[in-house]
Amino acid sequence: GQQLNQSPQSMFIQEGEDVSMNCTSSSIFNTWLWYKQDPGEGPVLLIALYKAGELTSNGRLTAQFGITRKDSFLNISASIPSDVGIYFCAGQLFEGAQKLVFGQGTRLTINP
Amino acid sequence: SAVISQKPSRDICQRGTSLTIQCQVDSQVTMMFWYRQQPGQSLTLIATANQGSEATYESGFVIDKFPISRPNLTFSTLTVSNMSPEDSSIYLCSVRGFEAIYFGEGSWLTVV
Repeated sequence: GQQLNQSPQSMFIQEGEDVSMNCTSSSIFNTWLWYKQDPGEGPVLLIALYKAGELTSNGRLTAQFGITRKDSFLNISASIPSDVGIYFCAGQLFEGAQKLVFGQGTRLTINP
Repeated sequence: SAVISQKPSRDICQRGTSLTIQCQVDSQVTMMFWYRQQPGQSLTLIATANQGSEATYESGFVIDKFPISRPNLTFSTLTVSNMSPEDSSIYLCSVRGFEAIYFGEGSWLTVV
């Protein structure tokens, strides 16, 4: 089945640093989504990408949909303590019932 | 985005029992999904809940174990049957909104 390879699995950074994470796949996706999950909560949508090459920002977050439709990255600039959590990429396939395939997540820890 | 409410939010269940999780959306949606997130893991799609017909299950998930109902466009239930400790997970309701796919806060089940 389709798989998304998300990296890194975990990151330990200092407050104020920039963060970058990415997802790659051998399959083509028509939509890429980035979610954040806080402890005890469900995933919250951060950014949705619909076109190859699209670059979208949401505050300090920037994400891009790769030209090949097989990858995406998420950058967080000037990290703050509330950025702590698990970030998931998810891809939506061209075919099928609009389901999402998820990456394994990137756990972000910030040292104040 | 749609507002998705799940009940129960948490429960501790006895081995061998069954539990039904409810998902209520504040607006009519065409597509509803149920995901499972095992401890420390990513999200895996269980099934697509189809209004007025049987759910569409993903590989590895069967109706006898995870019966799903969807009587209308705003409500669905997932039952976890004959539970074992391996069923201890977060169960998440998800809907396709106008722009993307959104998640409820999850139902955290612990089977003892």
